[in-house]
Amino acid sequence: LAKTTQPISMDSYEGQEVNITCSHNNIATNDYITWYQQFPSQGPRFIIQGYKTKVTNEVASLFIPADRKSSTLSLPRVSLSDTAVYYCLVGDPFSYGGSQGNLIFGKGTKLSVKP
Amino acid sequence: KAGVTQTPRYLIKTRGQQVTLSCSPISGHRSVSWYQQTPGQGLQFLFEYFSETQRNKGNFPGRFSGRQFSNSRSEMNVSTLELGDSALYLCASSMRQGEQTQYFGPGTRLLVL
Repeated sequence: LAKTTQPISMDSYEGQEVNITCSHNNIATNDYITWYQQFPSQGPRFIIQGYKTKVTNEVASLFIPADRKSSTLSLPRVSLSDTAVYYCLVGDPFSYGGSQGNLIFGKGTKLSVKP
Repeated sequence: KAGVTQTPRYLIKTRGQQVTLSCSPISGHRSVSWYQQTPGQGLQFLFEYFSETQRNKGNFPGRFSGRQFSNSRSEMNVSTLELGDSALYLCASSMRQGEQTQYFGPGTRLLVL
């Protein structure tokens, strides 16, 4: 799996838009970008997945430039409950078996939302 | 659909003992993966089971083992517990083997004294 680099931590205030950028310079042609959110003492939760351009769901947006060497998770109008660790992962979601299928989590970005 | 469930949620053991953790995947999901999370090492992949067979294994000693039953439920076992095995053990399920989109359970918090 392609290695990813994210900021270790970010601070924000309630109501602001938060953008977390992930670098993945060695992303392969078949790789998708997937983001997970994890609250303390809970399992990670899938947020969003994309391949190129922009993907939006009810929780977040994912922006991926044409060269796909980075991606940005955008959280609109964050609240205190968005305080969590956010993980960026890169891999082939259709790789059935083999090491490519394992989720390799980095350190993630610890987002702290303040009132 | 009910989510991934793990039992027990909390466990305290002493060094040298063994422990068995249980995971019930989302209905219809056939793949179950196990992860260990510690403050120092973060989230690390242990192994993945699909159709009752271990398909992938992470870099953990043989003391860590698992199995999957015909109903896709899975158990993991850690023998001869060490202090360093204290961690949050997470189970995740997906429909197919090796999927990037996995659904995690709440975890089992194991403390080894």
